[in-house]
Amino acid sequence: EVQLVQSGAEVKKPGESLKISCKASGYRFTNYWIGWVRQMPGKGLEWVGLIYPGDSDTRYSPSFEGQVTISADASVTAAYLEWRSLKASDTAIYYCTRHNVYYHYTGSDDAYDVWGQGTLVTVSS
Amino acid sequence: SSELTQDPAVSVALGQTVRIRCQGDSLRSYNASWYQQKAGQAPVLVIYGVNNRPSGIPVRFSGSSSGTTASLTISGAQAEDDADYYCISRDNSVKHLYVFGTGTKVSVL
Repeated sequence: EVQLVQSGAEVKKPGESLKISCKASGYRFTNYWIGWVRQMPGKGLEWVGLIYPGDSDTRYSPSFEGQVTISADASVTAAYLEWRSLKASDTAIYYCTRHNVYYHYTGSDDAYDVWGQGTLVTVSS
Repeated sequence: SSELTQDPAVSVALGQTVRIRCQGDSLRSYNASWYQQKAGQAPVLVIYGVNNRPSGIPVRFSGSSSGTTASLTISGAQAEDDADYYCISRDNSVKHLYVFGTGTKVSVL
């Protein structure tokens, strides 16, 4: 069974650092991009960025570039989302999700087909 | 970067049909995929590549696309379809980036 299992909820103070994880199982980890998605309290989904664990190629939404760091460790089949200095506005649920590509005779389509359960990050003084 | 706009909320009577729209320039070039998010749960993929359902998604969910608009239709809505729905597509201006739609709350009455 393909699964993404995320690390547990975190409570941090402004200015602290944090690294949350997403452990993948049931598929070849290095063959699929992994994305991160933010959901602030009562708000919609926002695309943060993604990483290809096969070569660590990483892409960020302009809204998150420089604010977070996405990384992966193929030896433990895990992806990570990291902050060096948290702000109260980082309070949100963060989801990891697998990016899949579906090929057909006229081309390809893509989608995020498997999701982690989410990690709640609370930043408060 | 691109933007994808959805109606904030729609309601549908039990057993009736509802269509949710997602509008944006990037949809001329890239297909959208659709996600259902129930309260307190992670999103679930329901449609990809215009009109393809992953295994386990009921046949009452279908998709379509025309020009700058992608649509998700629920035919014969059930109580369990009460949820938020989001579209996502590639960004039209920057390669390998994605943008979510603003989301639609579907209430089944």
